[in-house]
Amino acid sequence: GAVVSQHPSWVICKSGTSVKIECRSLDFQATTMFWYRQFPKQSLMLMATSNEGSKATYEQGVEKDKFLINHASLTLSTLTVTSAHPEDSSFYICSAISLLDYEQFFGPGTRLTVL
Amino acid sequence: AQSVTQLDSHVSVSEGTPVLLRCNYSSSYSPSLFWYVQHPNKGLQLLLKYTSAATLVKGINGFEAEFKKSETSFHLTKPSAHMSDAAEYFCVVSPFNTGKLIFGQGTTLQVKP
Repeated sequence: GAVVSQHPSWVICKSGTSVKIECRSLDFQATTMFWYRQFPKQSLMLMATSNEGSKATYEQGVEKDKFLINHASLTLSTLTVTSAHPEDSSFYICSAISLLDYEQFFGPGTRLTVL
Repeated sequence: AQSVTQLDSHVSVSEGTPVLLRCNYSSSYSPSLFWYVQHPNKGLQLLLKYTSAATLVKGINGFEAEFKKSETSFHLTKPSAHMSDAAEYFCVVSPFNTGKLIFGQGTTLQVKP
């Protein structure tokens, strides 16, 4: 089956630093990828839609200047958490829609801890 | 706006007994509905999806769900629970042709030996 990877799988950083998370579709091309965040014991909340070659679309309440998304190719989207603070600590999950059959596949997630 | 409500935050069953996880949806038109499972430290896995074909949808690992428009429900069932079914389950709705997924609050399934 189609595989989506995320790197890193976990990261710990100091408050005020920026962290980049990569989402890759390993064996398929995806013009659209999504970024979600999940707080402990809570559901997933959609943060933004990432479209290859264009600006990301952010959900209401998500700060686009804080969560920078770049979708530079058909297999890679990146989420950069800028000037991270402890409240940004969360589990970040990406998904990708296959161009071939429009199925959506999820990455394993990245756990971010901001000290 | 579309949304889903999972009626139980936690369900506990004994191994070998039936599983019922309840989900109601809200949509102004016929929605696409999904059930996903999330095991600890693993990625989300699609169990099944409804996209306006047959109302009874069969998924992986013996799970199935029935779309009932009159009740706006999409409950997930399995005849006999297995220990490996213990996980977090999400009912999900997708607005038409967007690919976006709107997740319910989740139901934790506990399976007792």
